[in-house]
Amino acid sequence: DSGVTQTPKHLITATGQRVTLRCSPRSGDLSVYWYQQSLDQGLQFLIQYYNGEERAKGNILERFSAQQFPDLHSELNLSSLELGDSALYFCASSDIGDTEAFFGQGTRLTVV
Amino acid sequence: GENVEQHPSTLSVQEGDSAVIKCTYSDSASNYFPWYKQELGKRPQLIIDIRSNVGEKKDQRIAVTLNKTAKHFSLHITETQPEDSAVYFCAASPGGSYIPTFGRGTSLIVHP
Repeated sequence: DSGVTQTPKHLITATGQRVTLRCSPRSGDLSVYWYQQSLDQGLQFLIQYYNGEERAKGNILERFSAQQFPDLHSELNLSSLELGDSALYFCASSDIGDTEAFFGQGTRLTVV
Repeated sequence: GENVEQHPSTLSVQEGDSAVIKCTYSDSASNYFPWYKQELGKRPQLIIDIRSNVGEKKDQRIAVTLNKTAKHFSLHITETQPEDSAVYFCAASPGGSYIPTFGRGTSLIVHP
């Protein structure tokens, strides 16, 4: 157990819908990252939050947004879903700087 | 931003053989290089990491080497076992930014 909790584990939804993925980081970790992993694809960085503030953006679509709350949990919102958004979405957390990132179990999103 | 290239994409070996996975990075400011192992359907987990002030690090059957001048680093697994079969990701973290950029992954298959 990495200490990072993601909910839900699985999500099936229809095209055009909106979903929210939730992540609780490891206790004490201030930094939260979101990654998307599609079939046969690597880990695509989406966005990073540090202590409640957006720190960096990667290849995140405008239909996607995220936030980190005062208790440091984070949510990734995906809207106007398309079939191509089907993927495994990982949240990871780390302490500060160049330290190990701990990954959650991921949320498998299937858009039908 | 940082760009990490990883080769090969697939590596098939016989049990007991050695396996080598190579990565290159583009940002000379990168100073932290972790390696993650992802078993099928599971989350990525750190197996070893190296920092820019070290040229080599070893942990039992796995070792990582870093050549900062050439901007490349490698993972070496000796005496491979079937349980080593997984996807391995390298990553690089640039100084001043806390985002690990991942390679596309190497699927290692160890045949008994």
